[in-house]
Amino acid sequence: GAVVSQHPSWVICKSGTSVKIECRSLDFQATTMFWYRQFPKQSLMLMATSNEGSKATYEQGVEKDKFLINHASLTLSTLTVTSAHPEDSSFYICSANKAGPLTEQFFGPGTRLTVL
Amino acid sequence: QQQVKQSPQSLIVQKGGISIINCAYENTAFDYFPWYQQFPGKGPALLIAIRPDVSEKKEGRFTISFNKSAKQFSLHIMDSQPGDSATYFCAAGYGGATNKLIFGTGTLLAVQP
Repeated sequence: GAVVSQHPSWVICKSGTSVKIECRSLDFQATTMFWYRQFPKQSLMLMATSNEGSKATYEQGVEKDKFLINHASLTLSTLTVTSAHPEDSSFYICSANKAGPLTEQFFGPGTRLTVL
Repeated sequence: QQQVKQSPQSLIVQKGGISIINCAYENTAFDYFPWYQQFPGKGPALLIAIRPDVSEKKEGRFTISFNKSAKQFSLHIMDSQPGDSATYFCAAGYGGATNKLIFGTGTLLAVQP
């Protein structure tokens, strides 16, 4: 199989605090991990692409200083939402590619962030 | 160029019927076209995917039809069941190092018993 986990599954925080979300590939090594944001009843919007050991590539309009991504190993990527505000409340989903030529992405279960 | 247009936005089908969802793209550099199923509060799960060198792919009740010249592809769900009620997303991807996916806007499918 190809299982991707996320932790936490949901988090509530106060405005101005930082929140870290972990994404792990449990049974494979992921050369590339992706972070998406999904607002209610909307599609998935790619935020950034991260490769192990290198800086993340952010999509246009995504603030890299606000959404810090660390891809420290082939099985772990973290997204830190710094100085979170209510407008950052969303469903954050990661995905991972297995090493090799295949394009298939395996998605995590998502993390619901609510900023009060 | 980056957009993937998906229709309809919502769909109601009777149990046993055929559900059809359509997508269109502009960028001919896309070479991977997956369909994802998402239940509320969950991450998307891959249903079926196709590459542009074939015109159709079938897996169980799910079929992708692909029209390269028209830059369109569609998902057909045969014998639709209430358990198929979910949001469906098409996507288009680039191969190679980035493997980025661009998602369609989603279709909310309701299968009535």
